[in-house]
Amino acid sequence: NAGVTQTPKFQVLKTGQSMTLQCAQDMNHEYMSWYRQDPGMGLRLIHYSVGAGITDQGEVPNGYNVSRSTTEDFPLRLLSAAPSQTSVYFCACGRASGVPGELFFGEGSRLTVL
Amino acid sequence: GQQVMQIPQYQHVQEGEDFTTYCNSSTTLSNIQWYKQRPGGHPVFLIQLVKSGEVKKQKRLTFQFGEAKKNSSLHITATQTTDVGTYFCAGGKSGNTPLVFGKGTRLSVIA
Repeated sequence: NAGVTQTPKFQVLKTGQSMTLQCAQDMNHEYMSWYRQDPGMGLRLIHYSVGAGITDQGEVPNGYNVSRSTTEDFPLRLLSAAPSQTSVYFCACGRASGVPGELFFGEGSRLTVL
Repeated sequence: GQQVMQIPQYQHVQEGEDFTTYCNSSTTLSNIQWYKQRPGGHPVFLIQLVKSGEVKKQKRLTFQFGEAKKNSSLHITATQTTDVGTYFCAGGKSGNTPLVFGKGTRLSVIA
């Protein structure tokens, strides 16, 4: 039982390049989300999904796209990377019914944009 | 929109001293959660509080949820070096509204 798996763990991009951060969970949780973590800024929500086929924007969605074709996967796409997107990205999942429950986080993906 | 403020941002303590971090929401919450992130690690769930005035304990950690369900605190008694990390609170509302995280309190423990 792997929980939440993020790939890659580390990535270096040049400005303007595109890439996808992968997130997969084997907990059968409906809710999945992406956060970015920057020094002194805490965890800021980028996008989230309450089930397959449903996505919504969080606090800082600009420059990022997501899709949710299956319960298990929730990839985060950067179409044209910018240095301001240098950050640590965390994927998290949880149950989506009623009161928001415990979130399970992946180990993170550290992205550097040059 | 909903905001969750957390203070202090940093706290340095001598091993054995107590530590408290405070969390305040601009709106009434349905629940509050606390997470711990070790240096270089990912956030790990500690506890969830849902009732007004609720107090829960986990060994040396005591969590409180305010009567108005707008504030919370985490108190660690007699800190140890294993307590080092960043502690986040996260406020939740009913339904599928995402949790809103505070910016965290980074705890350093000097042996």
